[in-house]
Order: sequence, then structure tokens, then C-alpha cells
Amino acid sequence: GAGVSQTPSNKVTEKGKYVELRCDPISGHTALYWYRQSLGQGPEFLIYFQGTGAADDSGLPNDRFFAVRPEGSVSTLKIQRTERGDSAVYLCASSLNGRGGPDTQYFGPGTRLTVL
Amino acid sequence: RKEVEQDPGPFNVPEGATVAFNCTYSNSASQSFFWYRQDCRKEPKLLMSVYSSGNEDGRFTAQLNRASQYISLLIRDSKLSDSATYLCVARGRDDKIIFGKGTRLHILP
Repeated sequence: GAGVSQTPSNKVTEKGKYVELRCDPISGHTALYWYRQSLGQGPEFLIYFQGTGAADDSGLPNDRFFAVRPEGSVSTLKIQRTERGDSAVYLCASSLNGRGGPDTQYFGPGTRLTVL
Repeated sequence: RKEVEQDPGPFNVPEGATVAFNCTYSNSASQSFFWYRQDCRKEPKLLMSVYSSGNEDGRFTAQLNRASQYISLLIRDSKLSDSATYLCVARGRDDKIIFGKGTRLHILP
């Protein structure tokens, strides 16, 4: 079946602008994760959804970052007043059940965000 | 100290050789461990989970040493296609998932 998809694959924006990044998880997966990966670094956890609710948003760097998953499937990561330091690859992953078990995360191809 | 630390490499290894790298974790409450593989400009993909008793999958062997708080990955008879970045992952009792920075491996023909 289809894997995790993310759109757009690339996004170039100017400092101060607002961006939305979309993630379509694997159908039936209840858990969804957002990560950010900078060059030469491993993925950095941002937020985790179990169904529609954000079960853990402790990784969001500040209040410019927000994510939603209104119907428990597609999720949108929203970044307000973008800064150059926000430039990174934003990865989305989904898993069948989420935390509490040996659950494999499947990653999407990522959105490469460049803030000029 | 970083929660999950890895030697960034690169490890340059001739084809057919055996290569091993370790990953250390600082949180003794970490419960689950994984190795992910990431190709250049691609997403991470699960290579294998790491079990307390150690586990093997073909040419790959993973070990966990809780006393010393490290996990290892051994690759035997390395192939050119093994060239990638290998990410160590620890999941804590609170289910928080922490990735290491990754170890770059180059298999040389």
C-alpha cells in the first residue's frame, strides 16, 4: 500500500512568512510524529499525535510552531514568522499504535524548508 | 552530554570487510533501541530493533549492553550498498524517542 507522503517536497520562503507542511500517514495508523532534521544531525522530535490529539508537543521549539491533526489522519505543521534557523528537512512518521509498544515508525520523504 | 551519542565517522571500509560501530545512551531508563539506516537525502528506514539478548538479521548483528549503556551494530561481508548513515535510536520509559546524529559509512570498492 501507499507509504507516508509529505507535501510539498521543497518549500522556499522568505523570513517572516507563514508556511504549512502536510503529512499523509499510512492509512489506519493512529500515531503520527513530526521531526526536524538539520544537516549532519539526526531527526529531532517535535510533536506526537495519537489520533486527533497531540499527546506530546514537548519538542516544539517555540510558539511559532503548531501542528494539527483534526480528523486523526492528515496532519499539518504550521510555522509562523519563519526564521532562517527554521531551515531544515521536516520529517513525518506514522506507526500503527504509537507509544507503549514495539511499534515501527515509517517515515515520509520529508519537506525541505529553506528560509531566505 | 547528549542523550544518544554516536561517532559521526565517516568509516571508510573496503568491500567484504566487517565493520562495527557503537552508540551510547545517557538515560538508564531507556527501554527500547533501534538502528535506522538513512541514505543521502532520503528518509530514515528501520534496519533492526535491538533486543537485550542480541539479535541477528542476515549480515547484521545488533547487541545491547545495559550495564555500560551502549548498543552496537556489526555488519559482516559489507556491500557497496551498505554505504549510508546509520542512526541509533533510544526510546525511554516515557516513550520519548531520541535519535543520535548518525554514523556515516562508506564501503569502498
